[in-house]
Formats: sequence, C-alpha cells, structure tokens
Amino acid sequence: NAGVTQTPKFRVLKTGQSMTLLCAQDMNHEYMYWYRQDPGMGLRLIHYSVGEGTTAKGEVPDGYNVSRLKKQNFLLGLESAAPSQTSVYFCASSSAGLPIYEQYFGPGTRLTVT
Amino acid sequence: KQEVTQIPAALSVPEGENLVLNCSFTDSAIYNLQWFRQDPGKGLTSLLLIQSSQREQTSGRLNASLDKSSGRSTLYIAASQPGDSATYLCAALHRGSTLGRLYFGRGTQLTVWP
Repeated sequence: NAGVTQTPKFRVLKTGQSMTLLCAQDMNHEYMYWYRQDPGMGLRLIHYSVGEGTTAKGEVPDGYNVSRLKKQNFLLGLESAAPSQTSVYFCASSSAGLPIYEQYFGPGTRLTVT
Repeated sequence: KQEVTQIPAALSVPEGENLVLNCSFTDSAIYNLQWFRQDPGKGLTSLLLIQSSQREQTSGRLNASLDKSSGRSTLYIAASQPGDSATYLCAALHRGSTLGRLYFGRGTQLTVWP
C-alpha cells in the first residue's frame, strides 16, 4: 500500500516548455487535489476532482490543466511553463465520506522554471 | 473566505519542554480541522484530525483541541524531542467549500535542540 505517489520528484523546465505531473493513489479515494506550496504563501489549491472524469478549478487554476481518466490517477499539466510556476506541487486524496475527508498527501514535485 | 492563521511562525525550544502551537480560523462553519507535520523537502504527514463535533484528539505525546465558537485550535506537544523539529501546519475543512477543500495556515516552524 503505497498511499499517494507523485512523478517526477524534481524537474527543471525552460520558459514555454510543457510537462505533465502524475499523481497516483491506491486507497480507492474518490477525491483528489493538486496544491502548490510557495514560501510565505502556504498551500493553495490549483484544481481538484470529485470522481473519475470530473475536474474543477481551485484557488489558482490559471496556467494549469488537469485530467482524471482513471479513478486512481490525477494528472496536472503545464502547457507553457512560466517562471511564476516555480513551486513545489503536492497531490492529495481523500475519501468522500463526511465528516472525515481526511486528506493524504504525496511527497511532492519540486519544479523550477528558468 | 476562510482564513487560517498560525502563531508563532517559528519556535525554538530546548528538549523536554511542553509546547503549544496555535491556529485560528475566521469562519467557524467547518467540518473538521487537521494538523500536519512537514519535514524539510518532504510531503505532509497527517497528525491529528478533529471533527467539528469533537473537542480534542490525542495521539501519543500530541493533543489537539478545537474551539469552534472562538475559531481556535491548539496543538500541544508534551516532552518535546529533537525529532519533533519540523513545520506544523493546520488546515480547516470549511463547511461552505466544495467537497473537501482545505484552507491552510502558513505553518509554525519548530526547532527542538538537545
């Protein structure tokens, strides 16, 4: 039982390049989330998904797209990377049962855009 | 909008001290409040989750309390150890938010020295 895993762990991109971050969970959770963490800003929600085939915008969605084709996977895409997207990206998942919604986090992806 | 504040931002104490970390939130309409630990360069590890109907939760040397009416939660760490050194984050699951969205504080960076 690996919990939440993220691929890759580190990546350096040049401005304008694209990439996809992969999140996988093996807990059969319905809900999945993408956050970014920046110094002095805390964690902010980018996009989230409440089930296979559904996605929704969070607090800071601009410049990102997501897809959830399979229940266990949640992909975050950057179509044209910008230096402002340099950050640490965390994926999380939770079950749908109230009132718990306890979120489990992956180890993070450290992205640098030059 | 729910806002979560953590005080102090940083704390440095000698080993053996009992500690209190504070978390406040502006909107008392929450499902639960979750405390996380984050080690440098790592992901978030869930420590304790307090449901809105509960007053406190305990796990080993950790005790978290919740006072919804005053918008406060505290994390009490007994007999601190150098291994407790990390950043501690609190996050509120707002009742009005969509399906499991957490609002995070910016964290308290704890250093416990021998």
